[in-house]
Amino acid sequence: EVQLVESGGGLVQPGGSLKLSCAASGFTFSGSAMHWVRQASGKGLEWVGRIRSKANSYATAYAASVKGRFTISRDDSKNTAYLQMNSLKTEDTAVYYCTSQEIWFGELKDYWGQGTLVTVSS
Amino acid sequence: QSALTQPASVSGSPGQSITISCTGTSSDVGGYNYVSWYQQHPGKAPKLMIYDVSKRPSGVSNRFSGSKSGNTASLTISGLQAEDEADYYCCSYAGSTVVFGGGTKLTVL
Repeated sequence: EVQLVESGGGLVQPGGSLKLSCAASGFTFSGSAMHWVRQASGKGLEWVGRIRSKANSYATAYAASVKGRFTISRDDSKNTAYLQMNSLKTEDTAVYYCTSQEIWFGELKDYWGQGTLVTVSS
Repeated sequence: QSALTQPASVSGSPGQSITISCTGTSSDVGGYNYVSWYQQHPGKAPKLMIYDVSKRPSGVSNRFSGSKSGNTASLTISGLQAEDEADYYCCSYAGSTVVFGGGTKLTVL
Protein backbone atom coordinates (compact mmCIF):
# COMPACT_ATOMS: atom_id res chain seq x y z
CA GLU A 1 0.00 0.00 0.00
CA VAL A 2 1.30 3.43 -0.98
CA GLN A 3 1.51 5.99 1.79
CA LEU A 4 2.60 9.60 1.89
CA VAL A 5 2.59 11.04 5.39
CA GLU A 6 3.22 14.75 5.94
CA SER A 7 4.34 16.15 9.26
CA GLY A 8 5.78 19.32 10.71
CA GLY A 9 2.85 21.67 10.32
CA GLY A 10 1.80 24.07 13.04
CA LEU A 11 1.49 27.68 14.11
CA VAL A 12 4.30 30.07 13.22
CA GLN A 13 4.64 33.84 13.35
CA PRO A 14 5.01 35.96 10.22
CA GLY A 15 8.64 36.06 9.20
CA GLY A 16 9.30 32.70 10.83
CA SER A 17 10.39 29.36 9.42
CA LEU A 18 8.99 25.85 9.34
CA LYS A 19 10.15 22.58 7.79
CA LEU A 20 7.65 20.03 6.56
CA SER A 21 8.46 16.37 5.98
CA CYS A 22 6.81 13.83 3.69
CA ALA A 23 7.55 10.17 4.47
CA ALA A 24 6.85 7.84 1.56
CA SER A 25 6.36 4.09 1.33
CA GLY A 26 4.97 1.51 -1.06
CA PHE A 27 6.40 2.88 -4.31
CA THR A 28 9.76 3.63 -5.90
CA PHE A 29 10.44 6.89 -4.09
CA SER A 30 13.98 7.32 -5.39
CA GLY A 31 12.81 7.23 -8.99
CA SER A 32 9.92 9.62 -8.60
CA ALA A 33 9.56 13.39 -8.59
CA MET A 34 8.01 14.80 -5.42
CA HIS A 35 5.67 17.79 -5.51
CA TRP A 36 4.20 20.04 -2.84
CA VAL A 37 0.71 21.49 -3.34
CA ARG A 38 -1.11 23.75 -0.90
CA GLN A 39 -4.72 24.73 -0.31
CA ALA A 40 -5.88 27.66 1.79
CA SER A 41 -9.14 27.16 3.62
CA GLY A 42 -12.05 27.37 1.20
CA LYS A 43 -9.70 28.07 -1.70
CA GLY A 44 -8.31 26.14 -4.64
CA LEU A 45 -5.20 24.06 -5.12
CA GLU A 46 -1.89 25.84 -5.66
CA TRP A 47 1.25 24.11 -6.86
CA VAL A 48 4.19 25.05 -4.64
CA GLY A 49 7.12 23.26 -6.23
CA ARG A 50 8.83 19.97 -7.01
CA ILE A 51 12.09 18.08 -6.85
CA ARG A 52 13.02 15.50 -9.46
CA SER A 53 14.88 12.26 -8.96
CA LYS A 54 18.63 11.69 -8.80
CA ALA A 55 18.51 10.55 -12.42
CA ASN A 56 17.20 14.02 -13.23
CA SER A 57 19.82 15.78 -11.12
CA TYR A 58 17.43 16.50 -8.23
CA ALA A 59 16.22 19.50 -10.25
CA THR A 60 13.87 21.82 -8.40
CA ALA A 61 11.24 24.29 -9.56
CA TYR A 62 8.99 26.63 -7.61
CA ALA A 63 5.89 28.74 -7.99
CA ALA A 64 6.61 32.44 -8.28
CA SER A 65 4.76 33.07 -5.01
CA VAL A 66 7.30 31.06 -2.98
CA LYS A 67 10.50 31.27 -5.04
CA GLY A 68 13.40 32.46 -2.96
CA ARG A 69 11.60 31.68 0.33
CA PHE A 70 10.86 27.93 0.07
CA THR A 71 13.31 25.10 -0.62
CA ILE A 72 12.46 21.51 -1.48
CA SER A 73 14.92 18.72 -0.75
CA ARG A 74 14.86 14.94 -0.43
CA ASP A 75 16.70 12.10 1.29
CA ASP A 76 16.31 8.96 -0.80
CA SER A 77 17.89 6.85 1.96
CA LYS A 78 14.98 7.81 4.21
CA ASN A 79 12.29 7.89 1.49
CA THR A 80 11.48 11.41 2.67
CA ALA A 81 10.94 14.75 0.98
CA TYR A 82 11.14 18.11 2.74
CA LEU A 83 9.75 21.60 2.31
CA GLN A 84 11.75 24.29 4.10
CA MET A 85 9.66 27.43 4.40
CA ASN A 86 11.35 30.71 5.38
CA SER A 87 10.13 34.31 5.64
CA LEU A 88 6.60 33.02 6.07
CA LYS A 89 3.68 35.31 5.33
CA THR A 90 0.07 35.16 6.49
CA GLU A 91 -0.91 34.22 2.93
CA ASP A 92 1.15 31.02 3.24
CA THR A 93 -1.48 29.69 5.66
CA ALA A 94 -2.81 26.49 4.08
CA VAL A 95 -2.95 22.73 4.16
CA TYR A 96 0.21 21.46 2.50
CA TYR A 97 0.08 18.18 0.55
CA CYS A 98 2.97 16.18 -0.85
CA THR A 99 2.21 14.28 -4.03
CA SER A 100 3.98 11.97 -6.43
CA GLN A 101 3.33 9.92 -9.51
CA GLU A 102 4.81 6.86 -11.13
CA ILE A 103 4.20 4.85 -14.25
CA TRP A 104 3.04 1.35 -13.29
CA PHE A 105 2.68 -1.08 -16.18
CA GLY A 106 2.05 1.78 -18.60
CA GLU A 107 -0.49 3.55 -16.41
CA LEU A 108 0.00 6.67 -14.34
CA LYS A 109 -0.42 6.21 -10.60
CA ASP A 110 -1.02 9.36 -8.57
CA TYR A 111 -0.35 9.55 -4.84
CA TRP A 112 -1.30 12.21 -2.27
CA GLY A 113 -0.73 12.55 1.44
CA GLN A 114 -3.42 13.58 3.92
CA GLY A 115 -1.96 17.08 4.25
CA THR A 116 -0.53 19.07 7.14
CA LEU A 117 -1.87 22.44 8.26
CA VAL A 118 0.43 25.44 8.41
CA THR A 119 -0.92 28.56 10.11
CA VAL A 120 1.04 31.80 9.87
CA SER A 121 -0.29 34.25 12.42
CA SER A 122 0.85 36.57 15.18
CA GLN B 1 2.25 31.76 -13.93
CA SER B 2 -1.43 32.68 -13.74
CA ALA B 3 -4.00 30.12 -12.67
CA LEU B 4 -5.96 28.39 -15.42
CA THR B 5 -9.51 29.70 -15.84
CA GLN B 6 -12.43 27.48 -14.85
CA PRO B 7 -16.09 28.36 -14.26
CA ALA B 8 -16.75 28.79 -10.55
CA SER B 9 -19.72 26.45 -10.62
CA VAL B 10 -21.72 24.10 -12.82
CA SER B 11 -24.78 22.04 -12.09
CA GLY B 12 -26.80 19.24 -13.59
CA SER B 13 -29.50 16.73 -12.80
CA PRO B 14 -28.86 13.02 -12.27
CA GLY B 15 -28.38 11.26 -15.59
CA GLN B 16 -27.43 14.43 -17.46
CA SER B 17 -24.02 15.34 -18.85
CA ILE B 18 -21.97 18.37 -17.94
CA THR B 19 -18.74 19.85 -19.25
CA ILE B 20 -16.19 21.88 -17.31
CA SER B 21 -13.81 24.05 -19.30
CA CYS B 22 -10.25 24.99 -18.41
CA THR B 23 -8.63 27.81 -20.35
CA GLY B 24 -4.93 28.53 -20.31
CA THR B 25 -2.35 29.77 -22.75
CA SER B 26 0.07 28.39 -25.31
CA SER B 27 2.63 28.19 -22.48
CA ASP B 28 0.61 25.63 -20.56
CA VAL B 29 -2.60 23.95 -21.77
CA GLY B 30 -2.00 24.70 -25.42
CA GLY B 31 1.67 23.85 -25.41
CA TYR B 32 1.63 20.36 -23.93
CA ASN B 33 -0.60 17.29 -23.82
CA TYR B 34 -0.18 17.14 -20.07
CA VAL B 35 -3.53 18.27 -18.71
CA SER B 36 -4.95 16.48 -15.69
CA TRP B 37 -8.25 16.72 -13.85
CA TYR B 38 -8.76 16.18 -10.12
CA GLN B 39 -11.89 15.57 -8.09
CA GLN B 40 -11.94 16.73 -4.48
CA HIS B 41 -14.61 16.02 -1.91
CA PRO B 42 -14.76 18.18 1.24
CA GLY B 43 -11.99 17.39 3.69
CA LYS B 44 -10.35 14.88 1.34
CA ALA B 45 -7.20 14.86 -0.74
CA PRO B 46 -7.66 15.36 -4.49
CA LYS B 47 -8.21 12.28 -6.66
CA LEU B 48 -6.86 11.99 -10.21
CA MET B 49 -9.66 11.49 -12.73
CA ILE B 50 -7.98 12.24 -16.08
CA TYR B 51 -4.34 12.62 -17.11
CA ASP B 52 -2.51 13.40 -20.36
CA VAL B 53 -5.66 15.23 -21.58
CA SER B 54 -7.84 12.16 -22.05
CA LYS B 55 -6.42 9.11 -20.28
CA ARG B 56 -8.36 7.59 -17.43
CA PRO B 57 -6.63 5.85 -14.50
CA SER B 58 -7.86 2.38 -13.68
CA GLY B 59 -10.76 2.48 -11.28
CA VAL B 60 -12.14 5.77 -12.61
CA SER B 61 -15.57 5.46 -14.19
CA ASN B 62 -15.76 5.72 -17.98
CA ARG B 63 -18.41 8.38 -17.41
CA PHE B 64 -15.46 10.76 -17.05
CA SER B 65 -13.71 11.90 -20.24
CA GLY B 66 -11.28 14.64 -21.20
CA SER B 67 -10.39 16.54 -24.32
CA LYS B 68 -8.47 19.59 -25.49
CA SER B 69 -8.73 22.13 -28.27
CA GLY B 70 -6.13 24.84 -28.55
CA ASN B 71 -5.64 26.50 -25.17
CA THR B 72 -8.81 25.05 -23.66
CA ALA B 73 -9.21 21.65 -22.04
CA SER B 74 -12.53 20.13 -21.05
CA LEU B 75 -13.80 17.52 -18.62
CA THR B 76 -17.11 15.87 -19.43
CA ILE B 77 -19.07 13.83 -16.94
CA SER B 78 -21.92 11.81 -18.41
CA GLY B 79 -24.76 10.11 -16.56
CA LEU B 80 -24.35 12.40 -13.54
CA GLN B 81 -24.64 10.73 -10.17
CA ALA B 82 -25.04 12.21 -6.71
CA GLU B 83 -21.52 11.05 -5.77
CA ASP B 84 -20.06 13.23 -8.54
CA GLU B 85 -20.88 16.35 -6.53
CA ALA B 86 -17.45 17.75 -5.66
CA ASP B 87 -14.87 20.36 -6.62
CA TYR B 88 -12.96 19.75 -9.84
CA TYR B 89 -9.55 21.17 -10.71
CA CYS B 90 -7.66 21.13 -13.97
CA CYS B 91 -3.90 21.06 -13.89
CA SER B 92 -1.34 21.61 -16.62
CA TYR B 93 2.36 21.22 -17.12
CA ALA B 94 3.82 24.64 -17.95
CA GLY B 95 7.43 24.11 -18.90
CA SER B 96 9.34 23.55 -15.68
CA THR B 97 6.37 24.36 -13.48
CA VAL B 98 2.79 23.22 -12.94
CA VAL B 99 -0.35 25.34 -12.78
CA PHE B 100 -3.83 24.55 -11.44
CA GLY B 101 -7.17 25.99 -12.38
CA GLY B 102 -9.19 27.92 -9.83
CA GLY B 103 -11.61 25.03 -9.37
CA THR B 104 -15.23 24.35 -10.30
CA LYS B 105 -17.92 23.33 -7.83
CA LEU B 106 -20.21 20.72 -9.37
CA THR B 107 -23.68 20.54 -7.89
CA VAL B 108 -25.91 17.57 -8.71
CA LEU B 109 -29.45 18.89 -8.44
